Amino acid sequence: QKEVEQDPGPLSVPEGAIVSLNCTYSNSAFQYFMWYRQYSRKGPELLMYTYSSGNKEDGRFTAQVDKSSKYISLFIRDSQPSDSATYLCASSHFGNEKLTFGTGTRLTIIP
Amino acid sequence: NAGVTQTPKFQVLKTGQSMTLQCAQDMNHNSMYWYRQDPGMGLRLIYYSASEGTTDKGEVPNGYNVSRLNKREFSLRLESAAPSQTSVYFCASRALRTDTQYFGPGTRLTVL
Repeated sequence: QKEVEQDPGPLSVPEGAIVSLNCTYSNSAFQYFMWYRQYSRKGPELLMYTYSSGNKEDGRFTAQVDKSSKYISLFIRDSQPSDSATYLCASSHFGNEKLTFGTGTRLTIIP
Repeated sequence: NAGVTQTPKFQVLKTGQSMTLQCAQDMNHNSMYWYRQDPGMGLRLIYYSASEGTTDKGEVPNGYNVSRLNKREFSLRLESAAPSQTSVYFCASRALRTDTQYFGPGTRLTVL
């Protein structure tokens, strides 16, 4: 079993819809949670970063962590065609040099 | 401030050839990483360097070597390329306070 599991999709939604992207993790020691966005033929770029449980909002994006169920979510409101990309979740724990990545979910926003 | 840069962007090799992928960061980060990304496999860590002068194996180190030349630069070497090493290679560096990693644009490598 991978430490971070992510549905690879693909996921297609109409423009303006709310998108929900999800990951589950198995390592209880994970404290840092990140979402990366990767456009086609580009490197991953950091989108959201959260520490421990709770919500974090940045514009149209909300990252949510539920440590009791080991569930990580990214919500995109008012989705735009420019949000079409692959989204990767990642986790780590204090003192660990390495990030554990999900395999990524490919998202397409249909105009 | 260029962030993380990688060269070359594209490379085609024949089986058995060698090459070195270069990576540099200008963010004064201590830790640097090499990943490969393959369809359906996600990002897999090849090697990493927690500080200048140290390197450690990641998940898929076989067939690769690395050198942490100085704080800025971290290179990845393929001594004898194999078709299984056809992939997209990403270099990253880590911000200590937030534990987040910042990625370069990648090198697309094809081994024939």
